[in-house]
Amino acid sequence: GPKVLQIPSHQIIDMGQMVTLNCDPVSNHLYFYWYKQILGQQMEFLVNFYNGKVMEKSKLFKDQFSVERPDGSYFTLKIQPTALEDSAVYFCASSPGTGGAWEQYFGPGTRLTVL
Amino acid sequence: GDSVTQKQGQVTLSEDDFLFINCTYSTTTYPTLLWYVQYPGQGPQLLLKVTTANNKGISRGFEATYDKGTTSFHLQKASVQESDSAVYFCALVDRRTNAYKVIFGKGTHLHVLP
Repeated sequence: GPKVLQIPSHQIIDMGQMVTLNCDPVSNHLYFYWYKQILGQQMEFLVNFYNGKVMEKSKLFKDQFSVERPDGSYFTLKIQPTALEDSAVYFCASSPGTGGAWEQYFGPGTRLTVL
Repeated sequence: GDSVTQKQGQVTLSEDDFLFINCTYSTTTYPTLLWYVQYPGQGPQLLLKVTTANNKGISRGFEATYDKGTTSFHLQKASVQESDSAVYFCALVDRRTNAYKVIFGKGTHLHVLP
């Protein structure tokens, strides 16, 4: 089936540094998402992106977070600066459009460890 | 706001046992309820969706239905196999905005013993 790729699979950085998580969504999909899952807890919505703009963001999407998809390349989540509580697995998802906007395909996740 | 509650954190069964996982939901809109399965090292995969009360969604031997009266929905399988060992998430699509974000339950770890 359709696949979403995420790069890297693991990232270890020091607190205060910047990190960029990359997502290669399913081609022709129009909606893009980031979710955060802290170990042992449920996955939570961070942000949704469509037509070059953030449509909705949760309270977890702090001011230090930003997303973009320049020229149809990777959909990225940037955290600058990082904090200890940002350690989690971040999942990217994409969905095709208004008819199937709810049908989101997830990547395998990027495990971020902030030291 | 919309929410999903999934209380069964872990279920251990033997092969050929019957599986039943239950969730409850709360929403102010018409519910679109989903079940995802997540295998180790992978992202969640959509297993089933249910959009009409008392109508079954069926996929890979799994069935899902929801009850509007009790605002509950469940996943079942008549005979589990060791390969079904995974984490199962119930989820609700938040339709209040055009973002269509998915609200996940906490997940049920299913361990199927050979």
